[in-house]
Amino acid sequence: ETGVTQTPRHLVMGMTNKKSLKCEQHLGHNAMYWYKQSAKKPLELMFVYNFKEQTENNSVPSRFSPECPNSSHLFLHLHTLQPEDSALYLCASSQEGDGTSGELFFGEGSRLTVL
Amino acid sequence: ELKVEQNPLFLSMQEGKNYTIYCNYSTTSDRLYWYRQDPGKSLESLFVLLSNGAVKQEGRLMASLDTKARLSTLHITAAVHDLSATYFCAVVGTNTGNQFYFGTGTSLTVIP
Repeated sequence: ETGVTQTPRHLVMGMTNKKSLKCEQHLGHNAMYWYKQSAKKPLELMFVYNFKEQTENNSVPSRFSPECPNSSHLFLHLHTLQPEDSALYLCASSQEGDGTSGELFFGEGSRLTVL
Repeated sequence: ELKVEQNPLFLSMQEGKNYTIYCNYSTTSDRLYWYRQDPGKSLESLFVLLSNGAVKQEGRLMASLDTKARLSTLHITAAVHDLSATYFCAVVGTNTGNQFYFGTGTSLTVIP
């Protein structure tokens, strides 16, 4: 396995469901991110975990709940979502510090549709 | 909040032609990245620009950074159909921690 992998690739859920998105990085990086990509809008940073600690939470509604059990895995728990939450959710990782470029490496994304 | 503006948002060009995509940003930065995204796919890193005057080239694409003007350009030389994609620039501000700010993207279509 290489890079950043996300599952599931596609998810359809009702507004009352609870589901989770999973991300795994095989790059040995120390930071992981969740981004939301909606049509005609810039990528929106949702959460950042650096060394497993959440360092950014950009005013994301509480119906989105991140979890980072270790430096290689990141989850996004979803509950009581709204139709406007339908989007592509991208996970990324990077290596921070030590003079690195800090480049983001993205997964393939999870396409979420909320009915 | 750091603002990143790309233009044009949409670009249709003929094969063999040259064109430039512009990325302007609103605050000091010394880290700028270019990404490519194909439809239904993830973002693929193209260039990392880490200093004023940096220039990187890969095939028909060349990126440059002018931190004083707060401007990066992505120049396309003799476009080919395979370059059709959406291109994003992303900026990390000097005083914004490690948060990446993305432009809205430039959707490029190369017409045979």
